[in-house]
Amino acid sequence: DAMVIQNPRYQVTQFGKPVTLSCSQTLNHNVMYWYQQKSSQAPKLLFHYYDKDFNNEADTPDNFQSRRPNTSFCFLDIRSPGLGDAAMYLCATSRVGSGAYNEQFFGPGTRLTVL
Amino acid sequence: LAKTTQPISMDSYEGQEVNITCSHNNIATNDYITWYQQFPSQGPRFIIQGYKTKVTNEVASLFIPADRKSSTLSLPRVSLSDTAVYYCLVGEVDYSGNTPLVFGKGTRLSVIA
Repeated sequence: DAMVIQNPRYQVTQFGKPVTLSCSQTLNHNVMYWYQQKSSQAPKLLFHYYDKDFNNEADTPDNFQSRRPNTSFCFLDIRSPGLGDAAMYLCATSRVGSGAYNEQFFGPGTRLTVL
Repeated sequence: LAKTTQPISMDSYEGQEVNITCSHNNIATNDYITWYQQFPSQGPRFIIQGYKTKVTNEVASLFIPADRKSSTLSLPRVSLSDTAVYYCLVGEVDYSGNTPLVFGKGTRLSVIA
């Protein structure tokens, strides 16, 4: 089945230790998104890629970076995680230009714990 | 992007119909109304989308009045497995890849046996 896959599902890191979260998709969608979702809050968009074009949200901290080496993969790098970065990180995809109505397909998320 | 307002939480008994209303007074002409569902520890899932009048699929119905300033998601005969957060989003169909959706606070639905 076509899907959005996130690895790992649970990630524990230490304060200040760089961490990378990964996302892959078999949907061949041209847009990929990274969201941060803290407990009992709505998902908050960090950035997205439209093909290779990177779009950063204005309030996304510099501590967060992203890479998209090809259509299928996208990575979220947190350079120096703080306690406030503990959250669920969601990857999503969508296909622009197909006439579909912005339907986003989400992965299961990676829950990040910062010790 | 049009701002949306939904109830923070709702409770319902199993087997009842649940209606969640979303206000979007500043909806623009080109905006569509979309609802997502999120179960605990999972990513959101697209449920339904509409522009005007009524849309129905296998999961839910979406009622949109003529002025489009609100919309109502209707879940028929809910079960315990419908316990989730439901998000109402309003925005244009994205042909550019640069107008992603923005999630509001959502409505936490608790279904009770």
